[in-house]
Amino acid sequence: EVQLVESGGGLVQPGGSLRLSCSASGFTFSRHAMHWARQAPGKGLEFVSSINDIGDRIYYADSVKGRFTISRDDSKNTLYLQMSSLRSEDTALYYCLKDLSGTYSFDYWGQGTLVTVSS
Amino acid sequence: QSALTQPRSVSGSPGQSVTISCTGTSSDVGGYNYVSWYQQHPGKAPKLMIYEATKRPSGVPDRFSGSKSGNTASLTVSGLQAEDEADYYCSSFAGSCWVFGGGTKVTVL
Repeated sequence: EVQLVESGGGLVQPGGSLRLSCSASGFTFSRHAMHWARQAPGKGLEFVSSINDIGDRIYYADSVKGRFTISRDDSKNTLYLQMSSLRSEDTALYYCLKDLSGTYSFDYWGQGTLVTVSS
Repeated sequence: QSALTQPRSVSGSPGQSVTISCTGTSSDVGGYNYVSWYQQHPGKAPKLMIYEATKRPSGVPDRFSGSKSGNTASLTVSGLQAEDEADYYCSSFAGSCWVFGGGTKVTVL
């Protein structure tokens, strides 16, 4: 059974940093692109970042470019999102997503970890 | 990276059909066949319902179907059931990122 478990969320002050982790199991992690998306309270979904299976193709939403860094550790089956210079508009539930290979769609989502940026 | 345009809400009675549109541009929906649809119930993570505009993952009822023409994709739910009441989001690959629609709330009357 595929499982994606996010962690690392919490309350952080504006300008602060946070690192999110996504522990994956139930599939061959190293063979799949992985992604982060977010959902602000009561709002819609927003793409955040993506990394391909070998880590040499990385994408970011314009809203986080230069502030967030995605990475992966295939030896630990873990996806990361390093977030810095956080703003109030980054407050959201952050989801880890597994890629349905070759389809540019997301077939499994974690339950999310909540990031709140507030003073 | 503008969001795709979806109606805010649609509704239908049990057994009826509803269709949700998702309008983008030639840089996303119109430029790729990589449109997907997600169903989200309150407090739950989204679930993949349609990928590559028209394909259904295993386990998704065939009441759900997708189509695409030009810059607009659509999701049709036939034979509406109470459990179909949820928010639905479209998404498209856009070359160097993905874009989502604003979401459509489907209400079963």
